[in-house]
Formats: sequence, C-alpha cells, structure tokens
Amino acid sequence: RKEVEQDPGPFNVPEGATVAFNCTYSNSASQSFFWYRQDCRKEPKLLMSVYSSGNEDGRFTAQLNRASQYISLLIRDSKLSDSATYLCVVNRVGGGADGLTFGKGTHLIIQP
Amino acid sequence: DAGVTQSPTHLIKTRGQQVTLRCSPISGHKSVSWYQQVLGQGPQFIFQYYEKEERGRGNFPDRFSARQFPNYSSELNVNALLLGDSALYLCASGQWGSGNTIYFGEGSWLTVV
Repeated sequence: RKEVEQDPGPFNVPEGATVAFNCTYSNSASQSFFWYRQDCRKEPKLLMSVYSSGNEDGRFTAQLNRASQYISLLIRDSKLSDSATYLCVVNRVGGGADGLTFGKGTHLIIQP
Repeated sequence: DAGVTQSPTHLIKTRGQQVTLRCSPISGHKSVSWYQQVLGQGPQFIFQYYEKEERGRGNFPDRFSARQFPNYSSELNVNALLLGDSALYLCASGQWGSGNTIYFGEGSWLTVV
C-alpha cells in the first residue's frame, strides 16, 4: 500500500462549482499534513496546512480525520486559476526530519 | 528577499556521467532537503541536511549523495546516471522541526540520454 494515496483525476469542473479531493495515508504515526499546489512544470507551493480541527482559508477548506487516516480539500466557487495539480502531503515520522511524503497528486481542470 | 535558488535550471547528461546540482536556501534557513519528481509522480524525498549533517535519507541508491556547506547551501551529486534518473530535482529549505513549512526552489530539470 502506498504511503499517501490520491485519485489522480483529472477532475473536470465548471467554473463556480465546488470540488472536493480526498487523500488517505498509511502511517498512523504521521504528525503533520499539508496540501500543496503544483502548476505545470513549476515547483510545488504550499496551499495550506491541515489541522485536526479543520481549517479554512478563503475558498479552501481542509479536514483531517486521524481515525480514518483521511485528509480532504474542498474548493468553493472554483476559478479558472485553480486549475493545477493538488498534492496531498504527510510528514515523515522521525524526530525533526523535514522529509515529506507526497501523493501523486490530483489534476484539476476548471472549465469556463 | 530571495527564495530558494537552484542551478542549473536545465541540463542534459549521458548515461554513466555524473551530475552536481546546487541549491541556496532562503536566508536564515538552516535545513535543506532534496526531492526527485519523475513525470506524473509526486516528489520523492532524497535527503535532508541540517547544520551540515545528514538528518534524513529516502530510499535512493548510493549513487545519490549530498552535502551542506557552512553557508547552508547544498549540493546533490548523482553518479553513474541512468535513464531513469531523468526528473525534476527540487531543493527545499526551512527551519528545523517536523511540521515547519518548507519552501521549494524552481528545480533543476535533468534529462539523461
């Protein structure tokens, strides 16, 4: 079983719609969780951290379910500029090491 | 302030050759990590360095090595290149500590022919 699993998509969504991505992780001792966004042929950029209580940043809402080892990202009122690959990221367990484990990413296409 | 800078941005090497990739972290960041991203996959962790010492290593062969310098910049070396080493190599810098945000450079695109 892969450490972090995501549906690769692509998700084709009309502009203005709400879209949700899910991600599961295998290591129950994982401590930190993130969503990164990656545009074509660019570096990944942090979209948001994911906290157990759930957190929101504008149109983006992230949820974490530790019992089910499940992370989600919800995008409301989607914009054309939201088209990108969204990477689910879990930190590696091992002291302070910052090595992160990435999923393969979910490709999102927002259509006008 | 400058972000993470990497060089070269693109390079082409022949199988069996060696390559050195360079990274300068954000000013004040002492932790540097390296990732390999093959087309269609998420980045894979290669190494992490903090205060010039290796603090973490991913599942990569010994052909891959790295080091960190007193100014916290870093080099990634890959020997005996294989076609499968063709990838985007990403450097990231951050503060030490699990959960701290890391920031990626634009990467070095390596093509092995």
